Amino acid sequence: QQQVKQSPQSLIVQKGGISIINCAYENTAFDYFPWYQQFPGKGPALLIAIRPDVSEKKEGRFTISFNKSAKQFSLHIMDSQPGDSATYFCAATGYGGSQGNLIFGKGTKLSVKP
Amino acid sequence: DSGVTQTPKHLITATGQRVTLRCSPRSGDLSVYWYQQSLDQGLQFLIQYYNGEERAKGNILERFSAQQFPDLHSELNLSSLELGDSALYFCASSVGPGGASGGYTFGSGTRLTVV
Repeated sequence: QQQVKQSPQSLIVQKGGISIINCAYENTAFDYFPWYQQFPGKGPALLIAIRPDVSEKKEGRFTISFNKSAKQFSLHIMDSQPGDSATYFCAATGYGGSQGNLIFGKGTKLSVKP
Repeated sequence: DSGVTQTPKHLITATGQRVTLRCSPRSGDLSVYWYQQSLDQGLQFLIQYYNGEERAKGNILERFSAQQFPDLHSELNLSSLELGDSALYFCASSVGPGGASGGYTFGSGTRLTVV
């Protein structure tokens, strides 16, 4: 069964610290790995995404690290801010994106303390 | 505003009833996806339509059905509702049959409460 496993379930970080969320997948056909950010009462919003042909992608304070051999990828949030407090979901899809639907991890609730 | 419009935002109904959730995709997007979000199951894929045709099916119950109309808006019909159907239902859209090129844009969801 196609699955994406995400950890931790919740995370508390001090302002200015580094938040790290990890995901692992099983299906080697997956080739697109986005991260979504969701605030209460809102829909998930695309944060950053990576393809398996690169090992790292950085956008501002957000970095995805990708390990194809281990079938793992992670989100690093540098200099975490209280405004980053939200639920983060990793996801995956395959076949060059033509498969369609995203398979989501169960989410990580991040709280950044001032 | 993401450009994906979902109505209604909130819905309270009794067990056994039938409801219809509506989604208008972002302008230019041909694919519509429906997801169910509950506290313990996360975001579960239900069904995808691409340009009016069903393209992929996930863990959608037989009591649930969906369609995409010629103007590309989509409706998710939930019938014989049970307490366990209470959840947030999200619609997402993408330009093509998969969202890897341009991403998936989510609406703000419909919160369904079955009492």
